[in-house]
Amino acid sequence: GAVVSQHPSWVICKSGTSVKIECRSLDFQATTMFWYRQFPKQSLMLMATSNEGSKATYEQGVEKDKFLINHASLTLSTLTVTSAHPEDSSFYICSAPPRRGTGGYTFGSGTRLTVV
Amino acid sequence: KQEVTQIPAALSVPEGENLVLNCSFTDSAIYNLQWFRQDPGKGLTSLLLIQSSQREQTSGRLNASLDKSSGRSTLYIAASQPGDSATYLCAVSSSAGNNRKLIWGLGTSLAVNP
Repeated sequence: GAVVSQHPSWVICKSGTSVKIECRSLDFQATTMFWYRQFPKQSLMLMATSNEGSKATYEQGVEKDKFLINHASLTLSTLTVTSAHPEDSSFYICSAPPRRGTGGYTFGSGTRLTVV
Repeated sequence: KQEVTQIPAALSVPEGENLVLNCSFTDSAIYNLQWFRQDPGKGLTSLLLIQSSQREQTSGRLNASLDKSSGRSTLYIAASQPGDSATYLCAVSSSAGNNRKLIWGLGTSLAVNP
């Protein structure tokens, strides 16, 4: 089945630094990737949708300049958290939509970001 | 606006019990509904996918049903095991657009005690 590989699985960074999270579709081409954030004991919140070859679409309230999304190829989408602050500490996870109309969504394994 | 609710929020059962997790959604115009499992600090594992035209799907000890008209889905877990302990999430996909977004419930945290 479809596999999305997400790296790193966890990262600790200092306030003010930037962190890049990568999601690769291993055996298929993903023209779209959804990026989610999940705070403890809360459900997933969609942050943005990346589209290969065009600008990402951000959900209301998500800062475009802080969460940079790039979909450079059909197999790679990246999320960069710029000038990270402790409140950005969260679980970030990517998801590719169904390859076929009737398929399910495929998720990466997630990235636990801790900003100290 | 689609809203997804999962009941109960938490559940603790002894090993071997059959149990039911509930998911309800406010807008019946869905494309499909998917149940996921999430272990603490981990990503999501897809369990079952039900298309809007289907009424149920089965995989091993898991059975998911869908009543689109009433806006409900249930996940039935038979003969629960400690390894089933996790958070179970329900998500619906809307009918609109090629990149259909998922709308999520808050999940049911399940603990199966040996």
